[in-house]
Amino acid sequence: AQSVTQPDIHITVSEGASLELRCNYSYGATPYLFWYVQSPGQGLQLLLKYFSGDTLVQGIKGFEAEFKRSQSSFNLRKPSVHWSDAAEYFCAAPGYSSASKIIFGSGTRLSIRP
Amino acid sequence: GAVVSQHPSWVICKSGTSVKIECRSLDFQATTMFWYRQFPKQSLMLMATSNEGSKATYEQGVEKDKFLINHASLTLSTLTVTSAHPEDSSFYICSASSSGYNSPLHFGNGTRLTVT
Repeated sequence: AQSVTQPDIHITVSEGASLELRCNYSYGATPYLFWYVQSPGQGLQLLLKYFSGDTLVQGIKGFEAEFKRSQSSFNLRKPSVHWSDAAEYFCAAPGYSSASKIIFGSGTRLSIRP
Repeated sequence: GAVVSQHPSWVICKSGTSVKIECRSLDFQATTMFWYRQFPKQSLMLMATSNEGSKATYEQGVEKDKFLINHASLTLSTLTVTSAHPEDSSFYICSASSSGYNSPLHFGNGTRLTVT
């Protein structure tokens, strides 16, 4: 079955430092992949999506992600984090068995060190 | 664009009462909406898929008689937690897709339900 895995539960980085959040997928075909961000007590906001084409995807708030088929990865990056980036980040993909379902990774909580 | 409004943002109710949560797509039509439940520090768990004009599709283990879903129009889906109990306390989030398969979901801001 398809799956999305986020191996890091919690990451802390210093403000201004670079960030990379890991996401691995398990799919039989080229996947469609998303990154969402959730601030405390809020819903989810789409940061970026990959459907096809250029493997480096630019998103909102200065985020980008790179699709690497050889590594089955879709890692989220940001060159310089801001304190406001502290949140929960979810990697996601549509379900294979059902066109409507979205599968979420377990999430990575990002803390920012002043 | 693609705004999803969820109401209320928080609600406190007594055990045994029912609570209705609304999810509206404000600037697009959503034939399909989704209801999720999220426990503290955990990922989202899909509860059900709400289809306009037809019965909702519930995930395994979700009680359809407890979590009533109605999707009467292309812009509104409601989740009613019936005879609520403290274990139903959670964060409920709805989402909708503005188009078909593989389209990203747009999320409401969630509803914090506390059952006392």
